Amino acid sequence: AQSVTQPDIHITVSEGASLELRCNYSYGATPYLFWYVQSPGQGLQLLLKYFSGDTLVQGIKGFEAEFKRSQSSFNLRKPSVHWSDAAEYFCAVGGSSNDYKLSFGAGTTVTVRA
Amino acid sequence: GAVVSQHPSWVICKSGTSVKIECRSLDFQATTMFWYRQFPKQSLMLMATSNEGSKATYEQGVEKDKFLINHASLTLSTLTVTSAHPEDSSFYICSARDRIGGETQYFGPGTRLLVL
Repeated sequence: AQSVTQPDIHITVSEGASLELRCNYSYGATPYLFWYVQSPGQGLQLLLKYFSGDTLVQGIKGFEAEFKRSQSSFNLRKPSVHWSDAAEYFCAVGGSSNDYKLSFGAGTTVTVRA
Repeated sequence: GAVVSQHPSWVICKSGTSVKIECRSLDFQATTMFWYRQFPKQSLMLMATSNEGSKATYEQGVEKDKFLINHASLTLSTLTVTSAHPEDSSFYICSARDRIGGETQYFGPGTRLLVL
């Protein structure tokens, strides 16, 4: 079975401060890991993904994530948050062993204060 | 690249009517498309997997006669909510996997359905 846990339901961060969103996954084989962002009433936009290779992956909008197999984690980070980063963030896991179906975490809502 | 569209973006219908939602991959061919449902302030729940030229596979608990899926071509999948009721009101999102190197799902903008 595959699953994702995002422990933080809501995070508030000041503009310009750093942001880290936590993600822990469970997957029986080599996982494909994703971070998506969703603005209110919108679909999901892919921020970054990890399949293999370098465990630190760079994404769009200045985001990066680090895959740590020993901790079953794939945390998302941004050094300096902008007001436009306020959104819902979803971590997802999938892979070839399950026809690439994705399991999503519950999501983390990020609020940015001025 | 990798753009997925959905139509309509909003639909309001009366109870008992059927509603069709289209999902299109605009600049790539999608072997597989997925349909999700999202309730307010919640995560996405996979409803079904749609493969071009074959029957859709539904997740446990999803009524296949209620949610009809057709994947007529490599760029189009449709979800029809039959005899819609107020409890079917939700945000429906589709995603598509590229036929080539398709580990990544690209998502449409979603369709908000309100059944009165």
